Amino acid sequence: QQQVKQSPQSLIVQKGGISIINCAYENTAFDYFPWYQQFPGKGPALLIAIRPDVSEKKEGRFTISFNKSAKQFSLHIMDSQPGDSATYFCAAGGGATNKLIFGTGTLLAVQP
Amino acid sequence: KAGVTQTPRYLIKTRGQQVTLSCSPISGHRSVSWYQQTPGQGLQFLFEYFSETQRNKGNFPGRFSGRQFSNSRSEMNVSTLELGDSALYLCASSNKGSALSYNEQFFGPGTRLTVL
Repeated sequence: QQQVKQSPQSLIVQKGGISIINCAYENTAFDYFPWYQQFPGKGPALLIAIRPDVSEKKEGRFTISFNKSAKQFSLHIMDSQPGDSATYFCAAGGGATNKLIFGTGTLLAVQP
Repeated sequence: KAGVTQTPRYLIKTRGQQVTLSCSPISGHRSVSWYQQTPGQGLQFLFEYFSETQRNKGNFPGRFSGRQFSNSRSEMNVSTLELGDSALYLCASSNKGSALSYNEQFFGPGTRLTVL
């Protein structure tokens, strides 16, 4: 019940295209859903996050879509750029602690 | 504001040894969480400390332990190292206090531990 399932494992997108990464969770107690971006040799950096009281959140080219009834959420990267090439992790958390359950990651490659 | 810092950045140890990793959170952040990142398992939660108290613990053996000091700096210790402990150990800090606030976490660059 603590798992967060992420797909796809890897993704190749052409420059200017849309990258879509999906995650599903089981624990309905989760109330915080962040996406992290990680470049080689660096720690994960928070990209965007959403709470379940909204169905969509947009920040620049990055959008989270959230479907509470399906217990799914996704990251959309519009106008993907080569600089977006990185590993993306979804996560879920909530309650009184900062424990985050991470998905297994998606390696995104944006081809010029 | 300075980010989360971790020392050392790289460490090589042999089986059976013990190791201590250090994490300095962002100034004002009272919560420090530790994660183990490996290619096969992804990011796995180790434990979280808040105001010097362990608030949550992941499913790791007792060889993994930690503590937090009054200045919120945290250390993680792994005793009797095994080959499988080779990983990137990440520390994250947060200013989340109560359950009502967002638990936005900021990660450090990690310590790359290699066990030979």
